[in-house]
Amino acid sequence: GAVVSQHPSWVICKSGTSVKIECRSLDFQATTMFWYRQFPKQSLMLMATSNEGSKATYEQGVEKDKFLINHASLTLSTLTVTSAHPEDSSFYICSADEPRGNSPQHFGDGTRLSIL
Amino acid sequence: GENVEQHPSTLSVQEGDSAVIKCTYSDSASNYFPWYKQELGKGPQLIIDIRSNVGEKKDQRIAVTLNKTAKHFSLHITETQPEDSAVYFCAASRGGGADGLTFGKGTHLIIQP
Repeated sequence: GAVVSQHPSWVICKSGTSVKIECRSLDFQATTMFWYRQFPKQSLMLMATSNEGSKATYEQGVEKDKFLINHASLTLSTLTVTSAHPEDSSFYICSADEPRGNSPQHFGDGTRLSIL
Repeated sequence: GENVEQHPSTLSVQEGDSAVIKCTYSDSASNYFPWYKQELGKGPQLIIDIRSNVGEKKDQRIAVTLNKTAKHFSLHITETQPEDSAVYFCAASRGGGADGLTFGKGTHLIIQP
């Protein structure tokens, strides 16, 4: 089945640093990937849609300059949290849909980000 | 935009009994309704989905029903087992899997042995 892999699974860093999270589709090509954020005991909120070879589309209220998304190939999208602060601590999850029609979204196992 | 309401937030059932989780959505243009199971510290795993051209779909112990007129859909789990304990999320979108999903707030399902 379709597999989406995220790396790293867990990262702790100091306030002010930038953190890059990778999302890979392992056995299929994904022209579109999605980034979600999930705070503890809450639901997943869509942050942005990542399109291969073009700019990402951000949801209302998500700062595009803070959450940089790059989708340079059909199997890799990256999310960089720039100048991270404690309030950015969250569970970041990516997903991708297969190129065939009527395919579901497959999710990675998420990245736990903790900013000290 | 789309708004998805999910109930209940917590559901406790005896092992072997059935569990039902309900969701409503607001956007009549939504046409794709997946259900995900999330275990602690992991990403959501798709368990079943339904598209707007059908009213019911079943996969072994799991079934989903959709009422487009009333804009609600439900997840039914029969013969529940301890490994069914998890948080379940419903979601909706306009463009099948090709669009971002709007999720409900989740239901913590507890299976009592």
